[in-house]
Amino acid sequence: NAGVTQTPKFQVLKTGQSMTLQCAQDMNHNSMYWYRQDPGMGLRLIYYSASEGTTDKGEVPNGYNVSRLNKREFSLRLESAAPSQTSVYFCATDRGRGQPQHFGDGTRLSIL
Amino acid sequence: AQTVTQSQPEMSVQEAETVTLSCTYDTSESDYYLFWYKQPPSRQMILVIRQEAYKQQNATENRFSVNFQKAAKSFSLKISDSQLGDAAMYFCAYRDASNFGNEKLTFGTGTRLTIIP
Repeated sequence: NAGVTQTPKFQVLKTGQSMTLQCAQDMNHNSMYWYRQDPGMGLRLIYYSASEGTTDKGEVPNGYNVSRLNKREFSLRLESAAPSQTSVYFCATDRGRGQPQHFGDGTRLSIL
Repeated sequence: AQTVTQSQPEMSVQEAETVTLSCTYDTSESDYYLFWYKQPPSRQMILVIRQEAYKQQNATENRFSVNFQKAAKSFSLKISDSQLGDAAMYFCAYRDASNFGNEKLTFGTGTRLTIIP
């Protein structure tokens, strides 16, 4: 099925460890996004990529880096994980102007 | 910066009844889009409905409809004939359309809807 695939679905890290969350889409969309979802706070944008080769910071970029590897793949890296980064992470993609975003199933990340 | 406010953290409705979820937003733009997303316990984010700000007609999708009041910056979701499968978190979201390439979604904090059998 066409869509957005995130790996892994669950992960537990220790403080200070590094980790890369992977996202791949087969919808041929230009724009890709990373969000985090915390209880009572909705989804907040971490980074986004309007097209292959470009990335920009969102609302909460500190502690994260991203790579737009090609049109299909957009990864999110935690270089030194902190307990405050415990969250559910969503990748999303869309065709552009005004179009709805399509989301992956999320990655639940716990940092001890 | 745009903000989206959902003032009802939780709502409940009897099965087969109608419920309205509230959403207000703040923006200085005239061209934008509004969305309602549903998040069931499975954690998936599912698009429910989309509204274009320059269209006065309220969007509808089967049992789901919106009341879009542009001047009041209000965008409520009405669910008719509520079903058990409608139980979920509902998120209102705003998207600016005037800054091409920078059209990120801003989400509200969500409303948890419970359906009472």
